[in-house]
Amino acid sequence: NAGVTQTPKFQVLKTGQSMTLQCAQDMNHNSMYWYRQDPGMGLRLIYYSASEGTTDKGEVPNGYNVSRLNKREFSLRLESAAPSQTSVYFCASSRQGADWAQYFGPGTRLTVL
Amino acid sequence: GQQVMQIPQYQHVQEGEDFTTYCNSSTTLSNIQWYKQRPGGHPVFLIQLVKSGEVKKQKRLTFQFGEAKKNSSLHITATQTTDVGTYFCAGPTYGGATNKLIFGTGTLLAVQP
Repeated sequence: NAGVTQTPKFQVLKTGQSMTLQCAQDMNHNSMYWYRQDPGMGLRLIYYSASEGTTDKGEVPNGYNVSRLNKREFSLRLESAAPSQTSVYFCASSRQGADWAQYFGPGTRLTVL
Repeated sequence: GQQVMQIPQYQHVQEGEDFTTYCNSSTTLSNIQWYKQRPGGHPVFLIQLVKSGEVKKQKRLTFQFGEAKKNSSLHITATQTTDVGTYFCAGPTYGGATNKLIFGTGTLLAVQP
């Protein structure tokens, strides 16, 4: 099992460009999440999807959109990138049940110039 | 809003010394999770505590959940260089879905050989 995979690993954008970050999990998890991590800020939830077909805003959703394409895939789109969106983006998934552990992908390091 | 704070933000120890990080929530938590993130890596789930006053051990790591379920601690005995990284606690958002977490600010542990 690959766990949670993310593409791309690195990306440089110019202000105003758009891009989609891809995430897929092969653990049959219902819930998926997008976080951003900035130095000294910890992990902040952007959007999450409790199950296929549903999405909800997290703590910092402005400037982002998401799509839960199917149970495996959850994408994050930046429509018009801004320098403030320079960050490391992590996708995660979790199963429902007694153990709510989240499993993270390797991350995408995004720089917006 | 709900906050989860950790202290200290940074700790530097000599190899073999003990280390403790403390996690405090502004609200009562149904459970608390701990994650470790190695430098340049992604967060990795360590453990979940559910019961008031619960103590769990993983080799040299001891995790505690406070009686009031608003605080937690992670203690590492006789640190090793492999313990280097940032340790995060995380708890469910108040009144929200159990699988939507708010992460603490993290404690960065540096271990000098």
